[in-house]
Amino acid sequence: AQSVSQHNHHVILSEAASLELGCNYSYGGTVNLFWYVQYPGQHLQLLLKYFSGDPLVKGIKGFEAEFIKSKFSFNLRKPSVQWSDTAEYFCAVWRAGKSTFGDGTTLTVKP
Amino acid sequence: KAGVTQTPRYLIKTRGQQVTLSCSPISGHRSVSWYQQTPGQGLQFLFEYFSETQRNKGNFPGRFSGRQFSNSRSEMNVSTLELGDSALYLCASSLEGQGEYGYTFGSGTRLTVV
Repeated sequence: AQSVSQHNHHVILSEAASLELGCNYSYGGTVNLFWYVQYPGQHLQLLLKYFSGDPLVKGIKGFEAEFIKSKFSFNLRKPSVQWSDTAEYFCAVWRAGKSTFGDGTTLTVKP
Repeated sequence: KAGVTQTPRYLIKTRGQQVTLSCSPISGHRSVSWYQQTPGQGLQFLFEYFSETQRNKGNFPGRFSGRQFSNSRSEMNVSTLELGDSALYLCASSLEGQGEYGYTFGSGTRLTVV
């Protein structure tokens, strides 16, 4: 069965700190990779996506993610977080007609 | 484009009752997927509809069912509600594949079973 692991359930950072959220998936082959974000009281929205090509992808609001095929990983990064980045972040993997989501990581940014 | 519209936003039901939730996808999107979101288990896939046909189904009991209409609007139904069915139910719209190129999500229906 497909599985997606997000290493941290809750991350607390101060403003201007750097962020890295881990995501690993359990299967090989061709996959499409996604990060979604859910701000408090809002709906899930797509942050960035990777299909092929340059393994470093840039998304909205200064976020980026790196696909490392050999490690089955797709980690999300941001050089300097803001209080407004407080949200829940979900990694998702699409393969063979099916999307699987990680359990999510709650990020709290302290002003 | 209008976003994905889910109604109602909130529901409170009693154990044993049944409930119907509605989702209108983005215009032109033919695939509608439903997910259950709970704090402990993240997003769990319920089912996906495409052109009025269920294409995929998750590991939920038969009490959970759905359908899709010719205009791509979708409904999901939960019969004989249990306390554990309390969750946020999300509808996700995509052009064709089941999130192959990413989903657009609705705001969800918050179901509370008492």
